[in-house]
Amino acid sequence: NAGVMQNPRHLVRRRGQEARLRCSPMKGHSHVYWYRQLPEEGLKFMVYLQKENIIDESGMPKERFSAEFPKEGPSILRIQQVVRGDSAAYFCASSPLPGLGNNEQFFGPGTRLTVL
Amino acid sequence: QQQVKQSPQSLIVQKGGISIINCAYENTAFDYFPWYQQFPGKGPALLIAIRPDVSEKKEGRFTISFNKSAKQFSLHIMDSQPGDSATYFCAATPRGGATNKLIFGTGTLLAVQP
Repeated sequence: NAGVMQNPRHLVRRRGQEARLRCSPMKGHSHVYWYRQLPEEGLKFMVYLQKENIIDESGMPKERFSAEFPKEGPSILRIQQVVRGDSAAYFCASSPLPGLGNNEQFFGPGTRLTVL
Repeated sequence: QQQVKQSPQSLIVQKGGISIINCAYENTAFDYFPWYQQFPGKGPALLIAIRPDVSEKKEGRFTISFNKSAKQFSLHIMDSQPGDSATYFCAATPRGGATNKLIFGTGTLLAVQP
């Protein structure tokens, strides 16, 4: 009965390095959302993906950030050339097929990124 | 820009008391209103949710009150316990979208004193 899994739980990077965050959705879920939580703030939507498709990336910064959800394997949130302002907790959530009256999203434990 | 405003920022309640957290939204384009509970170092967990065709929903000690005309909804925690101490987020999902993305409030840090 595994829930949403994220790894690593903590990630430290120096400015200019790349950060890769991984998310495995709950069994049977093929829809993944990424949110970012800055210190003392609420969660902000970044991107919504289905298998092999980006459906909504309206919350994703235009540069340095990318996301994928391949046919096999976890969803990846990639941040290139990290800056100190990228330091935050990044949460992944998964859901069953949306739009059928079931809006519930199940969140993972998050990856806490620290940029030195 | 679609927003959800949440208050208070922090709340201290005595054990056995009622905790009340309020949220307001700025337009009518939302159709799903969940509340999430988050403990330190953990991800948010769904607590209770409501749709705008219902004015109140109760699950155990947790109740959502929804006022569609005022564009406000609130979470009431009855008989608050120290184990309820956490951060609570209200959220809303835009209507008609294909994504069901959540728009979150800024959170309320609740401390229940024994």
